[in-house]
Amino acid sequence: DSGVTQTPKHLITATGQRVTLRCSPRSGDLSVYWYQQSLDQGLQFLIQYYNGEERAKGNILERFSAQQFPDLHSELNLSSLELGDSALYFCASSVGSSVTDTQYFGPGTRLTVL
Amino acid sequence: GNSVTQMEGPVTLSEEAFLTINCTYTATGYPSLFWYVQYPGEGLQLLLKATKADDKGSNKGFEATYRKETTSFHLEKGSVQVSDSAVYFCALRDVQGSSNTGKLIFGQGTTLQVKP
Repeated sequence: DSGVTQTPKHLITATGQRVTLRCSPRSGDLSVYWYQQSLDQGLQFLIQYYNGEERAKGNILERFSAQQFPDLHSELNLSSLELGDSALYFCASSVGSSVTDTQYFGPGTRLTVL
Repeated sequence: GNSVTQMEGPVTLSEEAFLTINCTYTATGYPSLFWYVQYPGEGLQLLLKATKADDKGSNKGFEATYRKETTSFHLEKGSVQVSDSAVYFCALRDVQGSSNTGKLIFGQGTTLQVKP
């Protein structure tokens, strides 16, 4: 158990819908990262927050957005869903954002868009 | 840009065989390097890491050495077990310009199957 929690574990929805994925980092960690794992793209970085502020953006679609709240939990919002958004979404956390900080991953949320 | 390349899988070995999974990287500066493992139906777990050249990371019998001259971080284990069957990801920790974002860049993953 990494100490990072993600809910829900599974999500099945239809095209055009909007969903929210939630992540609680390890106690004391200030950085939260979101990654998408799909069969065709592999594991890709989406976005990072550090202590409530956006720190970096990766290959995140405009239909996707995220935020980190004062209690440091984070939410990833996916809207106007398409079939291609079906994937495993991981959250990770680390103490800071130093290159030597270890990122600890949650169990993931499996999103299926029908 | 920075990238990680892993050997193609799946890799199929008999129990107690020697394992090598090759990983090479392209990066500017001095990234940190990681191996993560993903067991079936689970999230990623950190297996080992190395933060500077010539560092050797080790854990649970797995080892990898940060080789800057060959830009490699190959994963090795002397004697694999059935329980080692999983997907292994090599990753580097990216330093973006003057802002240390710390995002991970992953290889495509290598599936290891160990047969009794």
